[in-house]
Amino acid sequence: DTGVSQNPRHKITKRGQNVTFRCDPISEHNRLYWYRQTLGQGPEFLTYFQNEAQLEKSRLLSDRFSAERPKGSFSTLEIQRTEQGDSAMYLCASSPWGAGGGYEQYFGPGTRLTVT
Amino acid sequence: GQNIDQPTEMTATEGAIVQINCTYQTSGFNGLFWYQQHAGEAPTFLSYNVLDGLEEKGRFSSFLSRSKGYSYLLLKELQMKDSASYLCAGRLSTDKLIFGTGTRLQVFP
Repeated sequence: DTGVSQNPRHKITKRGQNVTFRCDPISEHNRLYWYRQTLGQGPEFLTYFQNEAQLEKSRLLSDRFSAERPKGSFSTLEIQRTEQGDSAMYLCASSPWGAGGGYEQYFGPGTRLTVT
Repeated sequence: GQNIDQPTEMTATEGAIVQINCTYQTSGFNGLFWYQQHAGEAPTFLSYNVLDGLEEKGRFSSFLSRSKGYSYLLLKELQMKDSASYLCAGRLSTDKLIFGTGTRLQVFP
């Protein structure tokens, strides 16, 4: 069990650039979640997938944000035309939900985005 | 609306017991998670309560009262490594988690 992995771990970009993050969930976990966390706050839900289907998107996810999970395994989160307010830690989590497993969400190490 | 409240900071002494409280107001509530998060790291799962009552796991215990919208995390025999933020999160019927701001616990020798 290698756990949830995320790449890159750190990303510094200039305002207006596009960035893409990748998340590899625990194998056989059918649900994958994206959260955003800023300093001193708890994680905020962004979106989640059951296999390849995106089931819910937060109002926080503006049209500059898009997420995919094309084959029901890894997922990508893209932010277009980044703004300084996008600077945060982007966390991915996965869960075995309903597949004989529990509902615990296991988090990856996160991608820290800094927009200059 | 959805709301999770927990104290911002707590301090305690090594070897002592500390209780971190969490109150919640959520619609479609399905359970309550506690996570531990060290600075700069990802949250790690501690406990999940669905039914009322106390769940014990070693030095950590978690309690839930659904009628009161209340939970607590109890940490016994505190160690220096327990210094971290503790996140309370409500699981909604849609399966997403709503987190509180976290309680930063500092353990002193």
